[in-house]
Amino acid sequence: IQLTQSPSALSASVGDRVTITCRASQGISNWLAWYQQKPGTAPKLLIYKASTLQSGVPSRFSGSRSGTEFSLTISSLQPEDFATYFCQQYNSYLITFGQGTRLEIK
Amino acid sequence: EVELVESGGGLVQPGGSLRLSCAASGFTFSDFALSWFRQAPGKGLEWVSGISSSGDRPYTADSVKGRVSISRDNAKNTLYLQMNSLSVQDTALYYCAKVHRLLLVAPDDAYDLWGQGTMVIVSS
Repeated sequence: IQLTQSPSALSASVGDRVTITCRASQGISNWLAWYQQKPGTAPKLLIYKASTLQSGVPSRFSGSRSGTEFSLTISSLQPEDFATYFCQQYNSYLITFGQGTRLEIK
Repeated sequence: EVELVESGGGLVQPGGSLRLSCAASGFTFSDFALSWFRQAPGKGLEWVSGISSSGDRPYTADSVKGRVSISRDNAKNTLYLQMNSLSVQDTALYYCAKVHRLLLVAPDDAYDLWGQGTMVIVSS
């Protein structure tokens, strides 16, 4: 299953609302997760099962699904949110990731 | 502290072998499936191999099948990845990670705990 993330890079300002999308090549139900990765660190789970917020993750992060298109929205960007974001599908054990979206400060 | 700590990476010549280890602490290791992921420098994430919570069901990506073997020792709270016939394309930071849900027989889940990674460099 291929995941196509868009955009590949995004420039935004503190306080902006941003949305990253991830389209699956076939149906994966709600089996999609979102991760944040900062340089030199491991990925951090933000959202699982398409829209469930992982414990300890700020509520400005949210996830949604429409068919095979999934979205991660950050409602009001904070300085610590500038990072790379990946989607991951787990419809089967053949786990795949999107290519990533680099979120940069404008 | 809940953590995963990888070790065993290093510089190896093409065709060589390495065994990676991942030591777990702070949670009931035998309750969770685990996987190895890798990330080539400046690139995205790739799932490599996973194993059930009991250790009797291994799963491997097609890209490394036949060259990689995953195992775990639940008595030692340790996950392993044996890698053989390494090529330059295997150069990457290798992470171990723990699934979110309990007692899965397959590693098809979100991953809520990751180690810091161990670097594998394949070069002559």
